[in-house]
Amino acid sequence: AQKITQTQPGMFVQEKEAVTLDCTYDTSDQSYGLFWYKQPSSGEMIFLIYQGSYDEQNATEGRYSLNFQKARKSANLVISASQLGDSAMYFCAMREPNLGGSQGNLIFGKGTKLSVKP
Amino acid sequence: GAGVSQSPSNKVTEKGKDVELRCDPISGHTALYWYRQSLGQGLEFLIYFQGNSAPDKSGLPSDRFSAERTGGSVSTLTIQRTQQEDSAVYLCASSPHPGSGIGFFGQGTRLTVV
Repeated sequence: AQKITQTQPGMFVQEKEAVTLDCTYDTSDQSYGLFWYKQPSSGEMIFLIYQGSYDEQNATEGRYSLNFQKARKSANLVISASQLGDSAMYFCAMREPNLGGSQGNLIFGKGTKLSVKP
Repeated sequence: GAGVSQSPSNKVTEKGKDVELRCDPISGHTALYWYRQSLGQGLEFLIYFQGNSAPDKSGLPSDRFSAERTGGSVSTLTIQRTQQEDSAVYLCASSPHPGSGIGFFGQGTRLTVV
């Protein structure tokens, strides 16, 4: 069964507008971590933001915020004030303690390609 | 170095040949991970190292794949008798310690088997 689901293969957003990238996850564990990565065309995976399952507040990092809805098992990424440089693939990932997670292994979704239009 | 370094950045090889992919993690990072990313797909976990030992090899797709890490630093992923389905980007990542998640990836090696 798919552990991380990103339902949007591609998204378009106008420059300076906000955009939400969807991510839902499946786990029976109470302790887990959720990550978002950006992968530009250069190929490097760039860590953006992290949310722990016990964190009471939604994580924020600059223009990135994570809309964490635990009951719905969703961890959507919100990018505010989009910039042309935000055009990239975005991957949601989960660290699960009982699935090699104690070693820090992550399970990745298939990604969403974001294109920012000028 | 300042970041995770992988070499070569691109590799084209003939079917049946062996290839070695190298990863230099961030200095001091004890945990090292190898992932594979096929075209249009997410990342597929291959193997994890804690120091020089690999407690989790569950992701290696076949016995043609092996990896080692020496001195708690450099790691080499070896693919023997390459097949066309091995064509992918191989990404290496490191973290200060296990359980902290993975924050630092290299730029990957794009392997093409012809």
